[in-house]
Amino acid sequence: GQNIDQPTEMTATEGAIVQINCTYQTSGFNGLFWYQQHAGEAPTFLSYNVLDGLEEKGRFSSFLSRSKGYSYLLLKELQMKDSASYLCAALDSNYQLIWGAGTKLIIKP
Amino acid sequence: GAVVSQHPSWVICKSGTSVKIECRSLDFQATTMFWYRQFPKQSLMLMATSNEGSKATYEQGVEKDKFLINHASLTLSTLTVTSAHPEDSSFYICSAGTEPYQPQHFGDGTRLSIL
Repeated sequence: GQNIDQPTEMTATEGAIVQINCTYQTSGFNGLFWYQQHAGEAPTFLSYNVLDGLEEKGRFSSFLSRSKGYSYLLLKELQMKDSASYLCAALDSNYQLIWGAGTKLIIKP
Repeated sequence: GAVVSQHPSWVICKSGTSVKIECRSLDFQATTMFWYRQFPKQSLMLMATSNEGSKATYEQGVEKDKFLINHASLTLSTLTVTSAHPEDSSFYICSAGTEPYQPQHFGDGTRLSIL
């Protein structure tokens, strides 16, 4: 079956760096998305990776290894507003999005 | 950037009422729109994929007669929760995209509370 695994919850300190991992098993693969979702709000797009390697976007970076079925989202210089759930979603061969359960990130001062 | 508008934001109504939620893509044409449901502290659950001009594709376990989806144009999809009951209370979110490999743009969601 198709599956996305990511940690349920992580805690980090303001100003620090945190890495949120995601492993996926899908029927075919057409890329991986990361979304941010604040409590009570809809998700917002963060990144899309389809090739191996690191994509950097300001304080956020996303990495993909297709051979390992693995991705991570790296958040630098953490701010309190980064407290949110981070959703990993893989696009399978039918271009269907397979969603992870999300990682709740708690930022402490 | 691409914007998806979802209306209404909040609905509180009595059990047995039917509720219609609209999802509009404001500055692009969306051949496909997606409807999700999210219960508190849980992940997004895809309910159905809405295709313009054809019947929606429902996920396993989602009652198509209860959750009616109409995708009348390239910019509008509606979800009607028919004869809603308290267990249907949830956060309903729509999304739309231009191509499958492009990011989905989400509406702000509709918080539905059935009394």
